[in-house]
Amino acid sequence: GAVVSQHPSWVICKSGTSVKIECRSLDFQATTMFWYRQFPKQSLMLMATSNEGSKATYEQGVEKDKFLINHASLTLSTLTVTSAHPEDSSFYICSAGRRASYEQYFGPGTRLTVT
Amino acid sequence: DAKTTQPTSMDCAEGRAANLPCNHSTISGNEYVYWYRQIHSQGPQYIIHGLKNNETNEMASLIITEDRKSSTLILPHATLRDTAVYYCIVRVASGGYQKVTFGTGTKLQVIP
Repeated sequence: GAVVSQHPSWVICKSGTSVKIECRSLDFQATTMFWYRQFPKQSLMLMATSNEGSKATYEQGVEKDKFLINHASLTLSTLTVTSAHPEDSSFYICSAGRRASYEQYFGPGTRLTVT
Repeated sequence: DAKTTQPTSMDCAEGRAANLPCNHSTISGNEYVYWYRQIHSQGPQYIIHGLKNNETNEMASLIITEDRKSSTLILPHATLRDTAVYYCIVRVASGGYQKVTFGTGTKLQVIP
C-alpha cells in the first residue's frame, strides 16, 4: 500500500534556530503534498499545499517566509520552520495524494518542541 | 467544501458496534463523504468514503441517507484499538490532489 514517512518523528530545538522536516512518499509518486499543523487537543489545520517543481500555496494566516516548503522531487517535500519560537511547538503532519486514487495518505507526524 | 457536524465524543463497549453520526446538510451533488480517524499522536488514517450508496470495507461500513444530508460510520465490533478521533469530511472527488479540511471530529472511547 501507499506509505508516507516523516523524518524526524520528534525534534527539540532552541528558540531562534531552524528545523527541517522531511515528508517522503515511499512507494508512489506524489506531485502534490500537504502540510498540516495540530496543536494539543485541536484538529488538524492545513498550512500549505506543496506542488512538485513549483511554489507552495499557503493558507491564509500562514507565514510563507517562516514556514519554507520545498518539493524538489516526486517523492520528497520538506518543511523548514525558520527562527523557531516556543509558539511553533506543535505536531506537524504531511500527506500525499496518489494518482488515480481518491485517498490521501498521511505521514505519522513530527512532534516539534521549541525551548 | 461543505461543513459537517459531529458529536464531540462517544463511548462504546468493546465488542459492540460503534455508530458515529455525521450531519452534512449542505452537501453538493458532486461531493463525497469521507471518514478518517486519528489515533493519539499519529497521522490520520483513511477509513472509507462514499457518494450515495452504502459502502463497506474491511474496516467499516458507511451508511448515507437517501437525501445525503447525513451519514453514519459503523465499526461492527469495536476494539480498544479503535479508540481515536473520527473525522467526517465532505469533498469533491478529484483524487488525492485536493486538500482535506478537518473539522473537530468525534472522540470515540472504546471501553473494556
